[in-house]
Amino acid sequence: DVKVTQSSRYLVKRTGEKVFLECVQDMDHENMFWYRQDPGLGLRLIYFSYDVKMKEKGDIPEGYSVSREKKERFSLILESASTSQTSMYLCAAEAGTERGYEQYFGPGTRLTVT
Amino acid sequence: AQSVSQHNHHVILSEAASLELGCNYSYGGTVNLFWYVQYPGQHLQLLLKYFSGDPLVKGIKGFEAEFIKSKFSFNLRKPSVQWSDTAEYFCAVNTDNQGGKLIFGQGTELSVKP
Repeated sequence: DVKVTQSSRYLVKRTGEKVFLECVQDMDHENMFWYRQDPGLGLRLIYFSYDVKMKEKGDIPEGYSVSREKKERFSLILESASTSQTSMYLCAAEAGTERGYEQYFGPGTRLTVT
Repeated sequence: AQSVSQHNHHVILSEAASLELGCNYSYGGTVNLFWYVQYPGQHLQLLLKYFSGDPLVKGIKGFEAEFIKSKFSFNLRKPSVQWSDTAEYFCAVNTDNQGGKLIFGQGTELSVKP
């Protein structure tokens, strides 16, 4: 199975701080994703990447940026954290099978911005 | 834009009751369909998936789902739930023009009373 790890389970930051969320996958997968999970809204895609140094905006990219310098690592950056970005952040890596692709998720980082 | 709708936000059942969670999507082309489950305090994991072939798919822990193309639906079922099935369930769709992107429903919280 694919293993996806995230640097922190819980994080508390102040408004205006720059925040880095790290995600690492243990397989050689090209595709990686960042979602945020909010009650009643499900998971919404923030950014994704199909390869090193490549990035694509998802459905809610505002206030976020990403970095992918190495294939196994995909970082989400909150340039200036706001209280509206208090949420659960999930990283995923995508593995291909003979019948299509599956996404494997990390444990999540619960970020609180005060 | 494509969307996924889960009809029930919170379902409460007694053990041994039958379960059906609704999922509908809005997209007229080829789709790949997924159900993910998130047990309390755990990461999101794949329950089952449909790519092609038999529209009735079986997943882990006795779950199954049926793809009905004419109804744009992919409902999740289990004949007899257990207390350990208490979790949040997410339906997700990948469309053929979205690359690896998954579109998630809002989620359904299932509470099973012992």
